[in-house]
Formats: sequence, C-alpha cells, structure tokens
Amino acid sequence: ETGVTQTPRHLVMGMTNKKSLKCEQHLGHNAMYWYKQSAKKPLELMFVYNFKEQTENNSVPSRFSPECPNSSHLFLHLHTLQPEDSALYLCASSQVGGRPTGYTFGSGTRLTVV
Amino acid sequence: DAKTTQPTSMDCAEGRAANLPCNHSTISGNEYVYWYRQIHSQGPQYIIHGLKNNETNEMASLIITEDRKSSTLILPHATLRDTAVYYCIVRSHPSGYSTLTFGKGTMLLVSP
Repeated sequence: ETGVTQTPRHLVMGMTNKKSLKCEQHLGHNAMYWYKQSAKKPLELMFVYNFKEQTENNSVPSRFSPECPNSSHLFLHLHTLQPEDSALYLCASSQVGGRPTGYTFGSGTRLTVV
Repeated sequence: DAKTTQPTSMDCAEGRAANLPCNHSTISGNEYVYWYRQIHSQGPQYIIHGLKNNETNEMASLIITEDRKSSTLILPHATLRDTAVYYCIVRSHPSGYSTLTFGKGTMLLVSP
C-alpha cells in the first residue's frame, strides 16, 4: 500500500462499454496524474491535475475523459475504447511547491479491451 | 528536462552490490536526478533523488559526479526482489508543478 489506491485492479471491457477507473490518494498531495503503459513501452503521461485544475492533456483521444472532483480523488472515464487501448493505467500524486519530492504511484489498473 | 542515457540491461548476483549508471550530460543547474524502479506490472516506486551531493537512504545510495553529468545508483546488497526496471530521470522544480518523463530504463536482473 503506497498511499495511492487504484480500483479496480483488473478490468475487461467491450468496445461499446462505458467504465471508470478510480484513484484516491491519502497523502495530502495537491497534484494528480494519469499515465498509460502499453506492453514494452515507456510510461506515457496522459493528464495532469494541479490543485484540481487540469493543466495538461497530452493529445489524449476524447474517448478518455478525466475528472478530478477534489484534490484526493481522480477518475478516468472510458467509452468506446479500442483494443489498442489495452494497457496498464497508473495514477500518481505529488506535492507541488515546497521541498522537491517524488511522485507516489498506485498499483495500476490492468485494462483489457475486447 | 534534460535527457538521460542508461544501459538497457544489467545482471547482478544476489548479495552483491548493484551499480546502475546514468548519463545526463545536458543537466542544468536547477535540475534534480531522480531514481524510480518498477517491478513487473506494478506502479513505479520512488527510490531516491539528489541535486549535487551524494545521498543515501534505506533503499539505496546515489552518487553524483562533481560535474553532475552522470550518476550511479547503488543497491548495496541486491536481493532477488530488487529485480526490476530502474529509471533515471532528470527533473526541474519550478514554483509550479513539473512532470516526470520516463524513458526505457535499465532492466536489472538479480540472480541467485
């Protein structure tokens, strides 16, 4: 347990389904991030939320829709995904400002699109 | 943020020290060196970071050269559970947020 909790751990969904990934951090951090890791590829940053405001969207297709209702929770809403969207989706949090610190990552959601 | 170069893979015998190198020749004065590792199919785990002085914590030691163009992460007594991909990342710390960009890292295999 790292202080960042992701649910579900595994998800299988059809291309016409709608599902959501959830991330919760218990560290009092003020920034949260979604990363995607496809097989044999480096982690790719998808979205950044800084003080609940989306500050970065790295050309992510609109079938991925993030939501950050407060500084402790982050969601990734999924709809009409493609098989190539199958990947490990990782949430992370960090503290912006003050002493430099690292990111804390969750364990990820392994998504399979069929 | 400056680019880093790491070997693709390394091997280490259990109980021996693992020394993982990283080159960051274009690092600028306000950029920190961070190390993370990722055990298979888990989220990356923060290990250590430093600016110019050597650093040590319960997991590892970080040695940064005087010109800051390279660094070495040292796991003093590697165990089988240290088998993972190790990422060296250079990152600045502006007053706002700064993102963490991962490369391919070094796959460290610790063998019995």
